Amino acid sequence: AQSVAQPEDQVNVAEGNPLTVKCTYSVSGNPYLFWYVQYPNRGLQFLLKYITGDNLVKGSYGFEAEFNKSQTSFHLKKPSALVSDSALYFCAVREQSSGGSYIPTFGRGTSLIVHP
Amino acid sequence: EPEVTQTPSHQVTQMGQEVILRCVPISNHLYFYWYRQILGQKVEFLVSFYNNEISEKSEIFDDQFSVERPDGSNFTLKIRSTKLEDSAMYFCASSEERTATYEQYFGPGTRLTVT
Repeated sequence: AQSVAQPEDQVNVAEGNPLTVKCTYSVSGNPYLFWYVQYPNRGLQFLLKYITGDNLVKGSYGFEAEFNKSQTSFHLKKPSALVSDSALYFCAVREQSSGGSYIPTFGRGTSLIVHP
Repeated sequence: EPEVTQTPSHQVTQMGQEVILRCVPISNHLYFYWYRQILGQKVEFLVSFYNNEISEKSEIFDDQFSVERPDGSNFTLKIRSTKLEDSAMYFCASSEERTATYEQYFGPGTRLTVT
């Protein structure tokens, strides 16, 4: 079975500072990992994904995430936060082989608040 | 950029009533999904749909739920007799492909409140 945890309900950071939104996962084999962002009154929007290869994945809006297999983590990072980054962030995992299911499992989301 | 749209944005209904949530997926996408998120909890998969039939469904998707693609653009979720515990945000999503590496595109959600 696949699962994902986002241990923080809310992350607060000052504009210009680096930000990290945490995600850990659990799968039997190897994972596919995704980050989505939801701005107010909008749908979840794809940010980046890890499929294979380089552990550091770069995505939209200057975000990146690092796949760490030993720690089963896929934390989302950005070197310098913007107020406009304030949104709800969702991590998702899909096990690479799970008997034909293509459906990812999502976390409950982390609210990122960037203060001016 | 094309988007998934959902209507209504907020639906209030009484327990036992039927509701239909509507979605217009991205036009060239072939795979459609419904998810829900109860306040403060995880986003949960309900059902996926391809070629006019259900591909996968979760344990949540019981006989009270049904999905339909009534025409070439709309994708609907019907809840036959709503319960209080059906109160949640319902997200529709679509994707070009069904493989596990493909990202999904989500609508803004319909907040369903059952009283």
